[in-house]
Amino acid sequence: NAGVTQTPKFRILKIGQSMTLQCTQDMNHNYMYWYRQDPGMGLKLIYYSVGAGITDKGEVPNGYNVSRSTTEDFPLRLELAAPSQTSVYFCASQRSVGPSSYEQYFGPGTRLTVT
Amino acid sequence: KQEVTQIPAALSVPEGENLVLNCSFTDSAIYNLQWFRQDPGKGLTSLLLIQSSQREQTSGRLNASLDKSSGRSTLYIAASQPGDSATYLCRYGGSQGNLIFGKGTKLSVKP
Repeated sequence: NAGVTQTPKFRILKIGQSMTLQCTQDMNHNYMYWYRQDPGMGLKLIYYSVGAGITDKGEVPNGYNVSRSTTEDFPLRLELAAPSQTSVYFCASQRSVGPSSYEQYFGPGTRLTVT
Repeated sequence: KQEVTQIPAALSVPEGENLVLNCSFTDSAIYNLQWFRQDPGKGLTSLLLIQSSQREQTSGRLNASLDKSSGRSTLYIAASQPGDSATYLCRYGGSQGNLIFGKGTKLSVKP
């Protein structure tokens, strides 16, 4: 299993440009997540999905959109990039949540700079 | 609002020392707590997952404990090595499905 994969690894955007961060998992996990990590600020949840066709906002969703057409893929879309979106973005997946949940697995991250 | 706090924010120890990292949370309606390791410029690697019904989990030189009543989890690292140098994060998993991370403890083990 490749686990959770993310592309690209690095990207520089100009203000106002758009891009899609790709995330794929091959573990047949229902739950998928997008986080951003800023220096000294920990991980903040942007969006999450509990299964194909179902998404919901996390703590910091403004400026982002997601879709989940398949179990495997959970792309994150930035429509009008702003310098405040400069961050490292992590995708994660988990089989289930609740009393008998499993571990959460993370991708290697995408380092995005908006100038 | 649930908060997850990790103390200390940074720790430097000599090689061979045993050490404890702390994670505290405010909501006792916890389902599980997961400890991760993050190397600079890398993603998060899962170390240990403790379910709410468990008191501790062990993997090699690592031992994690969970005390729901006091809202605390500890990660014990025995006989630390320079390769253990990394940032360690704890992640709270609540009964509402909420997953909340602490800001991490940056560990440096000196040879």
